Amino acid sequence: DTEVTQTPKHLVMGMTNKKSLKCEQHMGHRAMYWYKQKAKKPPELMFVYSYEKLSINESVPSRFSPECPNSSLLNLHLHALQPEDSALYLCASSRARDFVNTGELFFGEGSRLTVL
Amino acid sequence: GQQVMQIPQYQHVQEGEDFTTYCNSSTTLSNIQWYKQRPGGHPVFLIQLVKSGEVKKQKRLTFQFGEAKKNSSLHITATQTTDVGTYFCAGPSGTASKLTFGTGTRLQVTL
Repeated sequence: DTEVTQTPKHLVMGMTNKKSLKCEQHMGHRAMYWYKQKAKKPPELMFVYSYEKLSINESVPSRFSPECPNSSLLNLHLHALQPEDSALYLCASSRARDFVNTGELFFGEGSRLTVL
Repeated sequence: GQQVMQIPQYQHVQEGEDFTTYCNSSTTLSNIQWYKQRPGGHPVFLIQLVKSGEVKKQKRLTFQFGEAKKNSSLHITATQTTDVGTYFCAGPSGTASKLTFGTGTRLQVTL
């Protein structure tokens, strides 16, 4: 069982659709992350939120728009995606956030996105 | 930017054989973490190493952090089919919040 919950588990969308991925954690973690993972590749960092503020944006295209409504929730809004954006999108959270130690990342099960 | 490479990319062993994956960073790391991702699953944290030359054991798994803090290894003794998955090392890049994952080693174990 994972303590980070992601919905939906699977999503199929067209290139003109608008959809959102949701992530929730109740561990009191103040750092939350979005990672993108293509098949047989490592997770790639997209965004980091620290204390509900966006602290890192890894030059992600604007068709991906993150949102952190509160300390437990993290959303990823999707609009006008391309087929190459099809991937597993992983949300994670962590306890610590200091200059040298991220701390253990707790990952959700991911949302598998297919863009047609 | 920082690169974290792992070798081998893939290893197929028979149950009971040992397995080792090696992780090499282009920069010195303040710490290194290891994750396991089962097929179709999500990464799960295994351990974090902080000190130069540190060695930690978890049952059949032995983790080592290099003296120069630029490399690490994971050794599994007497593999079991439950060890199947991809093993990733990960280290902070720039700011601590940016965790860069290694390229991963996929382990297949057959009876």
